[in-house]
Amino acid sequence: QKEVEQDPGPLSVPEGAIVSLNCTYSNSAFQYFMWYRQYSRKGPELLMYTYSSGNKEDGRFTAQVDKSSKYISLFIRDSQPSDSATYLCAMRGGNKLTFGTGTQLKVEL
Amino acid sequence: DSGVTQTPKHLITATGQRVTLRCSPRSGDLSVYWYQQSLDQGLQFLIQYYNGEERAKGNILERFSAQQFPDLHSELNLSSLELGDSALYFCASSVTTGGGETQYFGPGTRLLVL
Repeated sequence: QKEVEQDPGPLSVPEGAIVSLNCTYSNSAFQYFMWYRQYSRKGPELLMYTYSSGNKEDGRFTAQVDKSSKYISLFIRDSQPSDSATYLCAMRGGNKLTFGTGTQLKVEL
Repeated sequence: DSGVTQTPKHLITATGQRVTLRCSPRSGDLSVYWYQQSLDQGLQFLIQYYNGEERAKGNILERFSAQQFPDLHSELNLSSLELGDSALYFCASSVTTGGGETQYFGPGTRLLVL
């Protein structure tokens, strides 16, 4: 079993939809939780960074962490075609960052 | 633009060969991380250097090695290349604030082993 599980998709939604992306994890040592966005043929870029359980909002993006369930989510409101990318969750305990395999999102006009 | 640079952007080579990938971290960042990204394995952590010293090792093969130089740039050496080594190789540098450590990724080097 992988330490971090993420549905690879692809996920296709219409423009303006609310998108929900999720990851589950098994390692209780993970303390920091991140979401990265990766456009095709580019490096991942950090979107959201959270430490504690609860919600964190940044513009159209909301990151949610539930440590008791070992479950994290990223919500994208009013999705745009420019949001089409692969979204990777990442978690850190100690020095090592562990990534999910990424969910491919396509927002269609 | 993350501020992390990687060269070359693309590399095509043959099995059994050796290649060197180069990374320059963001100005002021002391940590450099190397990752391998393939379609079936996702993003895999290889190794971390901090201010010239190896700090953490991940799923790095013995055929692979890395180093970080006094000017903080880093090189990843891949030898006895196999077809399965074809992948995107990313370098990241990091900054630590009160909220923890944030990694910034370079654009990657796409390696194709034929």
